[in-house]
Amino acid sequence: KNQVEQSPQSLIILEGKNCTLQCNYTVSPFSNLRWYKQDTGRGPVSLTIMTFSENTKSNGRYTATLDADTKQSSLHITASQLSDSASYICVVVNQAGTALIFGKGTTLSVSS
Amino acid sequence: GAVVSQHPSWVICKSGTSVKIECRSLDFQATTMFWYRQFPKQSLMLMATSNEGSKATYEQGVEKDKFLINHASLTLSTLTVTSAHPEDSSFYICSAHRRQGSDYGYTFGSGTRLTVV
Repeated sequence: KNQVEQSPQSLIILEGKNCTLQCNYTVSPFSNLRWYKQDTGRGPVSLTIMTFSENTKSNGRYTATLDADTKQSSLHITASQLSDSASYICVVVNQAGTALIFGKGTTLSVSS
Repeated sequence: GAVVSQHPSWVICKSGTSVKIECRSLDFQATTMFWYRQFPKQSLMLMATSNEGSKATYEQGVEKDKFLINHASLTLSTLTVTSAHPEDSSFYICSAHRRQGSDYGYTFGSGTRLTVV
């Protein structure tokens, strides 16, 4: 069964600190893996997209890594800001590009 | 960049009435649109997949007669919640899919908060 599991479920950090969110998946083969940020009451916004052949992708303070051998991905956030408080969702797209398998997300709270 | 407009952003309706939610791709043609439902602190749950000009494909457990989906053009899909009840209160999100070469793009709308009273 295709699954995407994220950890931790929730995380609280101080402003300015770094953090890393984890994503393990069983989807195989797959087309690409995406990280989204979802603010409360809003739709998800794309942060990074990586194909199975890519190992890392950066978008400003966000850096995603992918290890297709171990089927793991991480999202690293540097120098966190209050506005980073949101849910971060890992999504794996199947090889045909026709289905998205969602993780349950990690809720990040950044406090001052 | 790809933009998907979802309207309304929130709606309150009386039990028994119907509500229509629109999802538009503003600067690209969406071959497929997805409709999701999200409960508090839960992930997005796929309700149905719609392709332009054809009937929507509903996920197991989703009532097609209650959640009517129309995908009349490559830039517009609508979800109508018919005879809404309080248990239909939720956050509904659409996603538009486009293909550019070997890249599949998925862009989400901003969501609609439906409250049925």
